[in-house]
Amino acid sequence: DAGVTQSPTHLIKTRGQQVTLRCSPKSGHDTVSWYQQALGQGPQFIFQYYEEEERQRGNFPDRFSGHQFPNYSSELNVNALLLGDSALYLCASSGRGGDTEAFFGQGTRLTVV
Amino acid sequence: GENVEQHPSTLSVQEGDSAVIKCTYSDSASNYFPWYKQELGKRPQLIIDIRSNVGEKKDQRIAVTLNKTAKHFSLHITETQPEDSAVYFCAASFGGSQGNLIFGKGTKLSVKP
Repeated sequence: DAGVTQSPTHLIKTRGQQVTLRCSPKSGHDTVSWYQQALGQGPQFIFQYYEEEERQRGNFPDRFSGHQFPNYSSELNVNALLLGDSALYLCASSGRGGDTEAFFGQGTRLTVV
Repeated sequence: GENVEQHPSTLSVQEGDSAVIKCTYSDSASNYFPWYKQELGKRPQLIIDIRSNVGEKKDQRIAVTLNKTAKHFSLHITETQPEDSAVYFCAASFGGSQGNLIFGKGTKLSVKP
């Protein structure tokens, strides 16, 4: 049983560029949440997707957007990258519309230079 | 907004001793409280969770207690082992979904042999 998988594992981008990160949820899960984890900090909630719609959003600017596909996989897009966007981006999936425990992927380490 | 405070930020114990990590939360509507263990460079792993209708839960050497009135919850690890060394995060759900989590800032636990 594959767990939550994310791609790519590492990424280096230049300020002002755009990036797309991908997440495949654990088998049987239908809900995907994205988190940003800065070095030495706890994960911060970005948004959650369920039934291909953004259902809840944290305190992140509109530069952060996402998408969920019919197979429940999800993308996180960040436009106009800033140095401060450098972080580990984690995807977590849960089942039954978010009514079960959340399991995390291994994350994508984004470095903005 | 919702907030979770976690103490201590670092904790050093001798092998075989107990370790206790405490968290407080602000959102009265939170009803799900997971604990995650994160080793360096790895994904957060769910180690135990508790729901608001339960006051205590135990799984082998790990236990969690919840005081909803005081908005406190704690993680207890007994008979600590060197492999317990990691960063531990508490979290509280919001928005009615177990996938929407507010995390504490983490506790770095070091278990000395």
